[in-house]
Amino acid sequence: DGGITQSPKYLFRKEGQNVTLSCEQNLNHDAMYWYRQDPGQGLRLIYYSQIVNDFQKGDIAEGYSVSREKKESFPLTVTSAQKNPTAFYLCASRPRDRGNNQPQHFGDGTRLSIL
Amino acid sequence: AQSVTQLDSHVSVSEGTPVLLRCNYSSSYSPSLFWYVQHPNKGLQLLLKYTSAATLVKGINGFEAEFKKSETSFHLTKPSAHMSDAAEYFCVVNLSGNTGKLIFGQGTTLQVKP
Repeated sequence: DGGITQSPKYLFRKEGQNVTLSCEQNLNHDAMYWYRQDPGQGLRLIYYSQIVNDFQKGDIAEGYSVSREKKESFPLTVTSAQKNPTAFYLCASRPRDRGNNQPQHFGDGTRLSIL
Repeated sequence: AQSVTQLDSHVSVSEGTPVLLRCNYSSSYSPSLFWYVQHPNKGLQLLLKYTSAATLVKGINGFEAEFKKSETSFHLTKPSAHMSDAAEYFCVVNLSGNTGKLIFGQGTTLQVKP
């Protein structure tokens, strides 16, 4: 079945450590997105990519980095510069759509905690 | 500027009674609107979408929503709640352009009592 796979499901980070969250999709979607979700809040956009080898900052990109070397993959690195990384991270994708009507499809998320 | 407001942070209903989750949006153009559901520790699942076709949109699991331009609303309803409907619900509006960027409401937690 087609879908979005995020791994790991749970991740723990020590202070000063970088960690990378994986997101893989086999939906043949062009665009991919990373969101951060905190309790009682909606989702906030970290980074997005509309095509391979290109990506743009979202609303809260500081302390995060991404790459898009393959269409299927959009890994997110949480760097030590991110001072409050504890959150639930969601990856999404959607097909190319000039009309902007296509919905995004979501993975099951990675929960990151600080040790 | 586009925005979306979910009017209730928490809604509690009894099993078998109707569900109403309220959403108002602000947009300078005709938007695309979505409702997503999120169960604990899971991703978001699309319930339904409005894209300027029929104003009454039917979704999965018996949910539907009505787009009312005059009221700038897109409320989600279901005639009869089921225990499995207990979850977080998000009303979402797209930004203009073709980036696919979305604006999310703060979410409404639906509690279903037996």
